[in-house]
Formats: sequence, C-alpha cells, structure tokens
Amino acid sequence: EVQLVESGGGLVKPGGSLRLSCAASGFTFSNAGMSWVRQAPGKGLEWLGRIKKKTDGGTTDYAAPVKGRFTISRDDSKKTLYLQMNNLKTDDTAVYYCTTVSVGVASGDLMFSSWGQGTLVTVSS
Amino acid sequence: DIQMTQSPSSLSASVGDRVTMTCRASKSITKYINWYQHKPGKAPKLLIYTASSLQSGVPTRFSGSGSGTDFTLTISNLQPEDFATYYCQQSHSTLSLSFGGGTKVEIK
Repeated sequence: EVQLVESGGGLVKPGGSLRLSCAASGFTFSNAGMSWVRQAPGKGLEWLGRIKKKTDGGTTDYAAPVKGRFTISRDDSKKTLYLQMNNLKTDDTAVYYCTTVSVGVASGDLMFSSWGQGTLVTVSS
Repeated sequence: DIQMTQSPSSLSASVGDRVTMTCRASKSITKYINWYQHKPGKAPKLLIYTASSLQSGVPTRFSGSGSGTDFTLTISNLQPEDFATYYCQQSHSTLSLSFGGGTKVEIK
C-alpha cells in the first residue's frame, strides 16, 4: 500500500524559511514523479510544483506564485521528497500535501494518484 | 495559464440523488482532466483520470465525460460517504498544472 507521510510543518514568521519532508513507502520511490499541492484555509487545492524521476531527468517545474522561493528536491536513497520554502508570506499559510505523479504515454496524461495526509504551515508574526 | 472554473461552487442533495457538476477550461485541454474527492482532514483521492477513466477501486456510480473545454462529473445514486468537495484538475499544460475552485456536495 502506498504511504506518504508529510512532516516539518509548524509556525514560522513572515520572511522565514521551512523545509517540509515527505516519507514514502509501499512503492518504488525512485521510479515515481512527485509533486506538492497545498490548500489554504477556506480555499481550494493549489499545485505548487513537481519533480520528475531521475531517469526522466529529475527536473522540476513550479507554479508562478512560488517560483524562486520554493525548491523541490528528492533523496531516492531515503525515499524522501522535500519542499524548501524561503521568504515565506502570510499567504503561504496552508496544509501542504505531497503526491505521487502517474504519467501515461501522452504528454498530458498525468495525474496525482496518491496523496499524503498533509502538514500544516502557519506563517504569522 | 489555463484557468479551470467549476460550477456550482456548492450543491445540496439527498442520498440516492443523481448529482452533476461541471468544469470549464479557459482553452481546450482535449481530454486531459482529472477529478478528485476531498473530505475535511483527509487526503484527497483520485476518482477519474483523462476525463472518463475510473481509477481502480472507485465505485462505478462515479463517471466523467466531456472533451475540449467542458467536462462533467456525475455521481449516480449518491451515498452518505460521497458528501465531500470535488475538484477538477487539468494536465494538458504539464508545466503549469491547475485545479478548479471545487464543488462542495452537502446533505439536503
């Protein structure tokens, strides 16, 4: 069974930094693309970015609101996904989810197939 | 960027009802739309992928349809466990993935 467990959330001041982790089990982590999605209080889901598996180049893509501030990385030996968040703003307050990314043959054939329970990040002075 | 607009934002229904919600893309996404169910405090769950394919383990009362810019998620014979918020997500633009604002299904 696929399990994704996020950790590292908490209270941080505006302008501060935080690193989230996502521990994966139940599947071959190195063969999976991964992504981060968040949900601000009372709002919908927002995609933040993704990282491809190393055999696909291990490259990253980011949503415009977080590009340049957030960095996604992975450690396949530890089966762990990371989200480094810098220069945090109050608008970054949200529950952060990691997801597996399943892809098909076609370019647009991509979906968030498994999700963790999320970790809460609160940005406040 | 492709904008995804869901309607209605909320609806009230009874157990046993047939429920339909829509998602409209700001430009054609062909068939590259996925649907998720999200309950408070839980992990979101993939229901439908590429517009109409049912994810393994998802009950057959869930179905998706549409192509181009207009898509529909239908729940036939609504069950108590189906009360949740439903999100569409486009994957046509893989460099800029995006979700709709959600449709909350509430008990009438």
